[in-house]
Amino acid sequence: GAVVSQHPSWVICKSGTSVKIECRSLDFQATTMFWYRQFPKQSLMLMATSNEGSKATYEQGVEKDKFLINHASLTLSTLTVTSAHPEDSSFYICSATTPLGTYEQYFGPGTRLTVT
Amino acid sequence: AQSVSQHNHHVILSEAASLELGCNYSYGGTVNLFWYVQYPGQHLQLLLKYFSGDPLVKGIKGFEAEFIKSKFSFNLRKPSVQWSDTAEYFCAVSDSGNTGKLIFGQGTTLQVKP
Repeated sequence: GAVVSQHPSWVICKSGTSVKIECRSLDFQATTMFWYRQFPKQSLMLMATSNEGSKATYEQGVEKDKFLINHASLTLSTLTVTSAHPEDSSFYICSATTPLGTYEQYFGPGTRLTVT
Repeated sequence: AQSVSQHNHHVILSEAASLELGCNYSYGGTVNLFWYVQYPGQHLQLLLKYFSGDPLVKGIKGFEAEFIKSKFSFNLRKPSVQWSDTAEYFCAVSDSGNTGKLIFGQGTTLQVKP
């Protein structure tokens, strides 16, 4: 149980275009989803917290107009990287928590974004 | 602001050696503590967690961790590592509020030689 998927697993896009990444909880309802960014050989950096039906809460330094997050249902959150630039190339990981309040996060496999 | 520090960035051990990975956090309030593992090519998985109670917690695959409040530490241990333990290990902390936000340490790469 508690499986989280991400799509796509790998995407290449041209500079200036937008890319949408999906995060789905497959067998549970996720009231809260988190989006992280991971640079090579580095840790996960929390970008934003997404609650179903409400606006995402962004961490300091993360541009909300550049990284659009939508959490339209209890099983789906999307991250759209708008007007992507090469410096946005990274590994994006989502996680989800259940309504049970244990604060355990279940992580997706990640999406590698390469902007050329 | 909360922060998490993992002292060992890259650890190389032979099979059957004992393992201890250090983790210290800075936060004045009550925290929840986690260790996650990321095997090559796989997603993050929870090894163990501490919320309250017995400060010595046991997780999967023979791992355990001890919460020492006075030292703000939550070190991960395993008495005898296996080649299959080769992975990236992350310590993480969240405050005891209801946000569930995790702050991760830098990660430790463990390489176990057969």
